[in-house]
Amino acid sequence: NAGVTQTPKFQVLKTGQSMTLQCAQDMNHEYMSWYRQDPGMGLRLIHYSVGAGITDQGEVPNGYNVSRSTTEDFPLRLLSAAPSQTSVYFCASSWTAPFSGNTIYFGEGSWLTVV
Amino acid sequence: DQQVKQNSPSLSVQEGRISILNCDYTNSMFDYFLWYKKYPAEGPTFLISISSIKDKNEDGRFTVFLNKSAKHLSLHIVPSQPGDSAVYFCAAGGDMRFGAGTRLTVKP
Repeated sequence: NAGVTQTPKFQVLKTGQSMTLQCAQDMNHEYMSWYRQDPGMGLRLIHYSVGAGITDQGEVPNGYNVSRSTTEDFPLRLLSAAPSQTSVYFCASSWTAPFSGNTIYFGEGSWLTVV
Repeated sequence: DQQVKQNSPSLSVQEGRISILNCDYTNSMFDYFLWYKKYPAEGPTFLISISSIKDKNEDGRFTVFLNKSAKHLSLHIVPSQPGDSAVYFCAAGGDMRFGAGTRLTVKP
C-alpha cells in the first residue's frame, strides 16, 4: 500500500534553478498539502488543496507554486530556488480538510538543499 | 506568529516512567487537536487526537488532555518505552498549524 509518495527524496539545486517536487496519493483523498520542516519551526504549511482544480495558500507560500489537475497528484514547484528554501518538504493528504477531524497522512519527505 | 507552541525542545525519561509532552495554543477557535510522532528520515504519523468537546482521550498507553481555558494540551505516555523515542508534534486548527516539536528520548 503506497499511501503518499514523494519524489525525489534528495535534491541539490543551485540558486535560481527551478524544480518540481512530485506528490501522489492512492487513497482517493480530496485534501492534499505541502509542508516544510525547519529546525525549531516545526511543520509550516506552504499550500493546500481541497480538491482537484482548487488550491490555496498556507503560512509560507512565497516562492512556491502548486496545481491540482487530478485528485491523485499535487506537485510543488520552486520557481527560482533560494538558499532559504533549503528544508525538508512533506506532502500530506486526508479524506477532507483537517478541521473536519480527519487524520493527515504524510509522505516520507524530500530533502532539498539550495547552494 | 506561532499559533501552536511546544516550549520544550527535548525531554528525557527513564523506561517505564511517565512522559508528559506539553503544547499551548493561542487561537480559542481551534476545535480539534492532534499529536503526531516522527522518527528520523520518515514522515510524521498520526498518534492521537482530541476534539474541543472533550477534555481527555485515551488510546492504550497514550492519553491526551485538553484544558480549553488555559489553551493547553498535553500528551501522557505511560509507561514510556525506548521505541517511543521520537519527535512529537502537536497540531491544531483548520489548516493544521504545527508546533515546533519535542524530541523525546526514553532511556532503557
